[in-house]
Amino acid sequence: SQELEQSPQSLIVQEGKNLTINCTSSKTLYGLYWYKQKYGEGLIFLMMLQKGGEEKSHEKITAKLDEKKQQSSLHITASQPSHAGIYLCGAGLVGSQGNLIFGKGTKLSVKP
Amino acid sequence: NAGVTQTPKFRVLKTGQSMTLLCAQDMNHEYMYWYRQDPGMGLRLIHYSVGEGTTAKGEVPDGYNVSRLKKQNFLLGLESAAPSQTSVYFCASSYGVGRVETQYFGPGTRLLVL
Repeated sequence: SQELEQSPQSLIVQEGKNLTINCTSSKTLYGLYWYKQKYGEGLIFLMMLQKGGEEKSHEKITAKLDEKKQQSSLHITASQPSHAGIYLCGAGLVGSQGNLIFGKGTKLSVKP
Repeated sequence: NAGVTQTPKFRVLKTGQSMTLLCAQDMNHEYMYWYRQDPGMGLRLIHYSVGEGTTAKGEVPDGYNVSRLKKQNFLLGLESAAPSQTSVYFCASSYGVGRVETQYFGPGTRLLVL
């Protein structure tokens, strides 16, 4: 079973609209990572959250980790075509050997 | 500072052929990882290394071997390629253990096994 669930699987938004991507686990998360991947390219690190309730922002992207450290959300404000790509969350889980588990990704398309 | 680089970027193999994928990092990271990415499956860890001369199995190690003879390089080998190994392979590295250490990824190698 997938230990890290991402939703939605895909998303199409009009340029300028806001959107949210979720990453959920049934287990407590350690460092929660958000990456962005463009087609044919590697994963670009966006940000990492470690503490319950933590929130970080980079330009128009904000990521939050809930107090229970089992869910994270990635919010994009006023989306632009440059935001298009696949967003993946990765996390260390309680009971794991320290390696990261990744969600299956959310494919974001932004219509100009 | 190139970060994490992978060679080759794309390769086509016939079933039964062998090949080696090379990953190199110039960040002096201790930990290195090999993942494969398949549609609908996400990223899955094949093997990883916690330091020069060490390797360990990940989630999907069968059919692959790895070596970490130098700290900066991590090699992934396919001894007898199978169509099921058609995938995109990513290498990553991190300073420390994965829970709270950011992994930095290479650009990927696209492998097609016919």
